[in-house]
Amino acid sequence: KNEVEQSPQNLTAQEGEFITINCSYSVGISALHWLQQHPGGGIVSLFMLSSGKKKHGRLIATINIQEKHSSLHITASHPRDSAVYICAVRMEYGNKLVFGAGTILRVKS
Amino acid sequence: SAVISQKPSRDICQRGTSLTIQCQVDSQVTMMFWYRQQPGQSLTLIATANQGSEATYESGFVIDKFPISRPNLTFSTLTVSNMSPEDSSIYLCSVGKGYNEQYFGPGTRLTVT
Repeated sequence: KNEVEQSPQNLTAQEGEFITINCSYSVGISALHWLQQHPGGGIVSLFMLSSGKKKHGRLIATINIQEKHSSLHITASHPRDSAVYICAVRMEYGNKLVFGAGTILRVKS
Repeated sequence: SAVISQKPSRDICQRGTSLTIQCQVDSQVTMMFWYRQQPGQSLTLIATANQGSEATYESGFVIDKFPISRPNLTFSTLTVSNMSPEDSSIYLCSVGKGYNEQYFGPGTRLTVT
């Protein structure tokens, strides 16, 4: 079993839909990152969470430390949101980042 | 924050040759990392580039295959040596700043024929 599991693997949505991507992890962490990767390969850091909830524009990220679970929500989705969304956790000991497999999101107009 | 640039952005190389990828950061950083992303896979840490000392390699990666330089706090290079088609990947430079912050470069897309 991978230390970081994401679901779904693939997601197709209609423009305007509310989207949720989930991340579960099995190790002790000091922080969790949500990353966005576009087809060119570059990665943008969306959020870094150690507790609670963060919001940036149409993106919301939440984390439940007790349940070892995080969600990334996109409200009013748009085709430009189409990308791979990656959950990564920073290990509590050793400072290493462990990555989920990513969720491929396609938003159709 | 940190702005990271990488060169080249992409390259197509012949098997048996070597390619050096450069990573430049717009500010001094302590931690610099090199990741590999093979097709359809997630990111795997190759090594941590240490300024003034040898890089720290993860299990499965060796210095002879992936030599790394870190001459100062804003620059690092990763060389992919004696390439084979299995080395076709995106190679990403990443830096750590502050508390748990991490930033990624635009990546270098390498194809080995």
